Amino acid sequence: EVHLVESGGGLGQPGQSQRLSCTASGFNIGDFAMTWIRQAPGKGLEWVGVIRSRSYGATTDYVASVRGRFTISRDDSKNIVYLTMDSLQADDTAIYFCCRGRTSPSAMPHYWGQGTLVTVSS
Amino acid sequence: QSALTQPASVSGSPGQSITLSCTGTSSDIGAHDYVSWFQQYPGKAPRLIIYELSYRASGVSDRFSGSKSGNTASLTISGLQAEDESTFYCSSYTETSTLVVFGGGTKLTVL
Repeated sequence: EVHLVESGGGLGQPGQSQRLSCTASGFNIGDFAMTWIRQAPGKGLEWVGVIRSRSYGATTDYVASVRGRFTISRDDSKNIVYLTMDSLQADDTAIYFCCRGRTSPSAMPHYWGQGTLVTVSS
Repeated sequence: QSALTQPASVSGSPGQSITLSCTGTSSDIGAHDYVSWFQQYPGKAPRLIIYELSYRASGVSDRFSGSKSGNTASLTISGLQAEDESTFYCSSYTETSTLVVFGGGTKLTVL
């Protein structure tokens, strides 16, 4: 059974960095594209970025609003995906969800974690 | 502003059928069948309802069905029940660098 658990959320200061983790079980993260999606308080869903599977070169893509500030990486030996957020801004405040696609290359979210809340405030 | 357009709210009575719309462009919904629908209750993570346009996710009632015409995808809920009251989001793969786009969500009220 696919299971995703996010952690690392909390209060962050503007301009600082924060790293979220997504611990996966039931499958090997290296075999699938892994995606981060966020939801600001009271707002809709926003796709943040993806790290592709090993067979697709583990390349990454990001939404324009976070490109250059956020980095998705993974540790296949621990089965953990990371979202490192640099230069945090107030509008990065959101619940961050880790997702996996139905098939190996798919960036479309099929399985979801429960999310972790990031609050950016001074 | 969301890339896909959904009505902010819809309402229906128990037992009624209702259709939620999601309008995109020829670069997303109109280009392929990688369209998903999610249901979200307050304080909960989204739950996958429909994937690849018309396939129901595991455990989802057959009261839910998906389709599209041109650049507009639709989610039909038949036999509306009180438990359906929630917010529904559509999503599509897109041929841009932002690989996945969402609608702003439709809040469904069961009267």
